[in-house]
Amino acid sequence: DAGVTQSPTHLIKTRGQQVTLRCSPKSGHDTVSWYQQALGQGPQFIFQYYEEEERQRGNFPDRFSGHQFPNYSSELNVNALLLGDSALYLCASSLAVRSIQYFGAGTRLSVL
Amino acid sequence: GIQVEQSPPDLILQEGANSTLRCNFSDSVNNLQWFHQNPWGQLINLFYIPSGTKQNGRLSATTVATERYSLLYISSSQTTDSGVYFCAFDAGNNRKLIWGLGTSLAVNP
Repeated sequence: DAGVTQSPTHLIKTRGQQVTLRCSPKSGHDTVSWYQQALGQGPQFIFQYYEEEERQRGNFPDRFSGHQFPNYSSELNVNALLLGDSALYLCASSLAVRSIQYFGAGTRLSVL
Repeated sequence: GIQVEQSPPDLILQEGANSTLRCNFSDSVNNLQWFHQNPWGQLINLFYIPSGTKQNGRLSATTVATERYSLLYISSSQTTDSGVYFCAFDAGNNRKLIWGLGTSLAVNP
């Protein structure tokens, strides 16, 4: 049973560029949440997708957008990258919106 | 919003020692979980513990919801226990997890 998988594992971009991160949820899960974790901090909630719709959003600008596909996989898109967007981006999946969340290994994004 | 405080922020143990990590929250919370983040960034669920006590090997956790705290016990610590321990929960009808700042644990051989 595959767990939550994220790709790519590492990514280097320059300011102003756009990036797409991908997440495949754990088998049987239908809800995907995205988090940003800066160095030395706890994860910060970005948004959550369920039934292909954004259900809840944290305090992140519109530059952060997402999508969920019919197979429950999800993408996180960040436009006009800033240096401050450098972080570990974590995807978590769960069955239904409030059950236990299981995390992928994350994508480490560096913006130069 | 609900405030969460984890203590201690940093902890250094000798292998074999026991420790208790604490998570305090300022209001009623739901779905409290404990996570371990290894040095490579992987977050692993340790416990889903909205109330009561659970044990899993050398780890156990207790949540006293009425007193707004949760404890994580690590017994006979091993070097592989090193990393950051987070408590997280969702509050009210929100669907997002709120996280503490974590306890950074280093277990020395």
